[in-house]
Amino acid sequence: EAGVTQSPTHLIKTRGQQVTLRCSPISGHTSVYWYQQALGLGLQFLLWYDEGEERNRGNFPPRFSGRQFPNYSSELNVNALELEDSALYLCASSPRWDSLTYEQYFGPGTRLTVT
Amino acid sequence: QKEVEQNSGPLSVPEGAIASLNCTYSDRGSQSFFWYRQYSGKSPELIMSIYSNGDKEDGRFTAQLNKASQYVSLLIRDSQPSDSATYLCAVFTGGYNKLIFGAGTRLAVHP
Repeated sequence: EAGVTQSPTHLIKTRGQQVTLRCSPISGHTSVYWYQQALGLGLQFLLWYDEGEERNRGNFPPRFSGRQFPNYSSELNVNALELEDSALYLCASSPRWDSLTYEQYFGPGTRLTVT
Repeated sequence: QKEVEQNSGPLSVPEGAIASLNCTYSDRGSQSFFWYRQYSGKSPELIMSIYSNGDKEDGRFTAQLNKASQYVSLLIRDSQPSDSATYLCAVFTGGYNKLIFGAGTRLAVHP
């Protein structure tokens, strides 16, 4: 069974640019989560999508946004990049939110560097 | 008070010993509890989940949950150098409708 996949693996952008990160969940999972992990810091929750709807959002500015497609894959968009957006961006998936199984499985991450 | 608290470590144990990792949480309504292992530069890997009070064993790992004390722990028996990693405690709470991660405990197993 294929795990969560993310693309690209690495990305270098300039301050002020925009970036789109992509995630495909485990087959059969409908929930997708996005996290930010800055160097040496903990996992910070960004967004949760399930069945195409945004279920919850972390304490991040509106320039962080995303969406989930009918095939349950997801995109994370970050506009007006700032230096402090440099981090590992992790996507995780889990079964449908009302299955009461909240185990999340992570992809390999996208490392974003903003210069 | 942080929602999920862990000692940052490093916790240093000799090879073959038992490593004990602890985690406390603040929301009494929390329902689901998880331990993840994260190697440096890699993504977190789910190693244990526990939903009810008591112990749950899986190979060399044992998760322990005490909801009255709002405490969850992970024991690693026969620790190996390959267990050296950061261990993240995660708690799902309906009140916040999200999985909340602790900052992690760094474990170092020395030969």
